[in-house]
Amino acid sequence: AQKVTQAQTEISVVEKEDVTLDCVYETRDTTYYLFWYKQPPSGELVFLIRRNSFDEQNEISGRYSWNFQKSTSSFNFTITASQVVDSAVYFCALGYSNSGYALNFGKGTSLLVTP
Amino acid sequence: EPEVTQTPSHQVTQMGQEVILRCVPISNHLYFYWYRQILGQKVEFLVSFYNNEISEKSEIFDDQFSVERPDGSNFTLKIRSTKLEDSAMYFCASSDAPGGPDTDTQYFGPGTRLTVL
Repeated sequence: AQKVTQAQTEISVVEKEDVTLDCVYETRDTTYYLFWYKQPPSGELVFLIRRNSFDEQNEISGRYSWNFQKSTSSFNFTITASQVVDSAVYFCALGYSNSGYALNFGKGTSLLVTP
Repeated sequence: EPEVTQTPSHQVTQMGQEVILRCVPISNHLYFYWYRQILGQKVEFLVSFYNNEISEKSEIFDDQFSVERPDGSNFTLKIRSTKLEDSAMYFCASSDAPGGPDTDTQYFGPGTRLTVL
């Protein structure tokens, strides 16, 4: 069975602070994908990143970076120099590597960035 | 940039009524999905659809639910007899054909908020 745990329910930071959102997953599959999605107050789900289970290389995209560690089954997301526009709910998700698979979402972390 | 669209953005219905939620997936995508999110909760998988067949469905997707690809562009979710607990945001998603650059990435529409009274 697959499970995604986002232990942080809510995080509040002041603008320009760095913040890390934690994601821990469980799966028996050897091949899988991990994702992060952003849900701003407007409600849509915005794709941020996909990581294959075979690729443990960390990734940086602007102020966003992701740390994937298979040894600890974690896929953490760091926002550097946070901005008010980063305020959203962030979901970590896990899926099989076959097309048409179900995504299993965590409960999400609500991030509030205040000026 | 191609995107998934959904209509209506908000649907209000009476308990027991049938509703149809509509989605237009990204044009070259071949896998389609429905998810729901009850207010304040996590996103839950309902069903995936490929080649005019259901690929996978969750326990939530019972006989009250059905999906259809009525033409080359639309993908619909029908709830036959709505219940109060069906009130949620329903998201449609699509992903690329096998071998495509985004085969394993699901792109979501903006959602339809369903309110059952």
